[in-house]
Amino acid sequence: EPEVTQTPSHQVTQMGQEVILRCVPISNHLYFYWYRQILGQKVEFLVSFYNNEISEKSEIFDDQFSVERPDGSNFTLKIRSTKLEDSAMYFCASSPDRGKVTDTQYFGPGTRLTVL
Amino acid sequence: DQQVKQNSPSLSVQEGRISILNCDYTNSMFDYFLWYKKYPAEGPTFLISISSIKDKNEDGRFTVFLNKSAKHLSLHIVPSQPGDSAVYFCAANSYTGNQFYFGTGTSLTVIP
Repeated sequence: EPEVTQTPSHQVTQMGQEVILRCVPISNHLYFYWYRQILGQKVEFLVSFYNNEISEKSEIFDDQFSVERPDGSNFTLKIRSTKLEDSAMYFCASSPDRGKVTDTQYFGPGTRLTVL
Repeated sequence: DQQVKQNSPSLSVQEGRISILNCDYTNSMFDYFLWYKKYPAEGPTFLISISSIKDKNEDGRFTVFLNKSAKHLSLHIVPSQPGDSAVYFCAANSYTGNQFYFGTGTSLTVIP
């Protein structure tokens, strides 16, 4: 069964450094998402991406965040200058389209980001 | 702003009995609701969904009930099995946007 994959599974970085989290969505999906979950808290929406542009973003997704689909398969989340509070699990998700019947989002296993 | 709430952080149930997980929401624009199941070190996995035009959706051992007037939904698992032990997230979406709003999760433990 097709699945969303994410790399790396764990990323440790120093505060102020840039990180790029990578995702390979399910191949025929059109919508891509990033979520994060700070330890012990709820899963929070960051951004959605369709047709090579951001379609929706939350207030968390400020100027230090960016997303890109550099080729036909990868979907990346870049954090330009990491802060301690960026430490979280970051989940990538994809969905086939926006129609309600198939609106289910399929999640990857997550990348644990630790900012020291 | 907690638009989706799961007020029970944990629940323990005996194997074979019914598990009932509850979720409340505040945004009347939400029209699509889902339950996700999450094991440690894995991403959330879709379990079951319901549209606001229905009040019940059933899939095998899993049934989701929606009470729009109370802005409440629940997930029933019957019979519960030890493999059902996981964190269950309720999520909601409105036709005006494509982000999902998640609750904080309920950790279900099914005791053999």
